[in-house]
Amino acid sequence: GDSVTQMEGPVTLSEEACLTINCTYTATGYPSLFWYVQYPGEGLQLLLKATKADDKGSNKGFEATYRKETTSFHLEKGSVQVSDSAVYFCALKPGKLIFGQGTTLQVKP
Amino acid sequence: NAGVMQNPRHLVRRRGQEARLRCSPMKGHSHVYWYRQLPEEGLKFMVYLQKENIIDESGMPKERFSAEFPKEGPSILRIQQVVRGDSAAYFCASSPGQGVAYEQYFGPGTRLTVT
Repeated sequence: GDSVTQMEGPVTLSEEACLTINCTYTATGYPSLFWYVQYPGEGLQLLLKATKADDKGSNKGFEATYRKETTSFHLEKGSVQVSDSAVYFCALKPGKLIFGQGTTLQVKP
Repeated sequence: NAGVMQNPRHLVRRRGQEARLRCSPMKGHSHVYWYRQLPEEGLKFMVYLQKENIIDESGMPKERFSAEFPKEGPSILRIQQVVRGDSAAYFCASSPGQGVAYEQYFGPGTRLTVT
């Protein structure tokens, strides 16, 4: 069945460091791909999405490119801030959302 | 346009009691999804409903769990005879349509604690 695998966390970075969170997927058909962010005690917020191969989603300095050849959707940011500390979920959507296990990011001043 | 509403935000139940979780979708959305997040885990799909119909319940435990989305009113996730393993955050999401092109909007979740 369809599945999503994320790199394990936690990831700890200093402010202004570069971020990459790896995400690979297994799917039949042509799913849409998403990154969601969850701040402590809150629900999920959509961070960015891509609906077809080679699409690049971007928001708030975060980017991810839908790579069909490598079945990947890695999340990147060039310079993280303390306020980016949260749990990040990669997900694919053939209909319902299928989530990866989440990666905790902690950014220190 | 108000977002997805869930209540209560926090619910404490003793073992053997019933838990009722409510989800009001965004205005104009007729598709509702329920997800469960166990401690230190990602979200797992439970059930997908449209008004008055269960479309996909492949993620629902076979016993004690049920869901409905009546013609009027919120969607309800009901857990009968709760056990400690039911302690989790339950999120609902709503969408204006079905299919990959439609985004799901999440509510703030209900955090269920079973004592």
